[in-house]
Amino acid sequence: GDSVTQTEGQVTVSESKSLIINCTYSTTSIAYPNLFWYVRYPGEGLQLLLKVITAGQKGSSRGFEATYNKETTSFHLQKASVQESDSAVYYCALGRSSNTDKVVFGTGTRLQVSP
Amino acid sequence: EAAVTQSPRSKVAVTGGKVTLSCHQTNNHDYMYWYRQDTGHGLRLIHYSYVADSTEKGDIPDGYKASRPSQENFSLILELASLSQTAVYFCASSAGLGQDTQYFGPGTRLLVL
Repeated sequence: GDSVTQTEGQVTVSESKSLIINCTYSTTSIAYPNLFWYVRYPGEGLQLLLKVITAGQKGSSRGFEATYNKETTSFHLQKASVQESDSAVYYCALGRSSNTDKVVFGTGTRLQVSP
Repeated sequence: EAAVTQSPRSKVAVTGGKVTLSCHQTNNHDYMYWYRQDTGHGLRLIHYSYVADSTEKGDIPDGYKASRPSQENFSLILELASLSQTAVYFCASSAGLGQDTQYFGPGTRLLVL
């Protein structure tokens, strides 16, 4: 089956510093999955941050980037300069281009940006 | 813009009582989901549905029932609430199952005492 691992439960970064949130996936399928980053701001539901469906491609949104690396089975989220408003919980997720497989979510990483 | 609403936003329930969480979407999506979020766990799928009057078990269905009376509405029912069901519950909708973006509601914080 599929699984998603986020090793950091919480990350604290100073404003204007760079950020990396790690995500790796594991799969027993020969087909490459679709990869997502969702974000949950305080008091709100999750919303899609970015999505990449092709291995080797990079997705970007709101200054965040993530590259789909099939060799290392990773999809790390990066931002060059974080802002206090980026404080949220970030979830990595895996889905498949079929209507029989459900999306698998990671445990989430809480980002705290300090002023 | 896509919209998923949940009610109530928070609830305190007693052990053994019945709890119903409601979800409404205006996205015209076929798929709807109920997840629970606990500290240290990712979102875990409880039930989902791809058509009115039909529901499917997710990964952790025990202790929960679901109802999809229409395309727009999807309810989660705890017939006998237990302490272990204290969590935040999210409803979501999507056009397809695995490959499409899911649109989430704001969540319901449930405390069972």
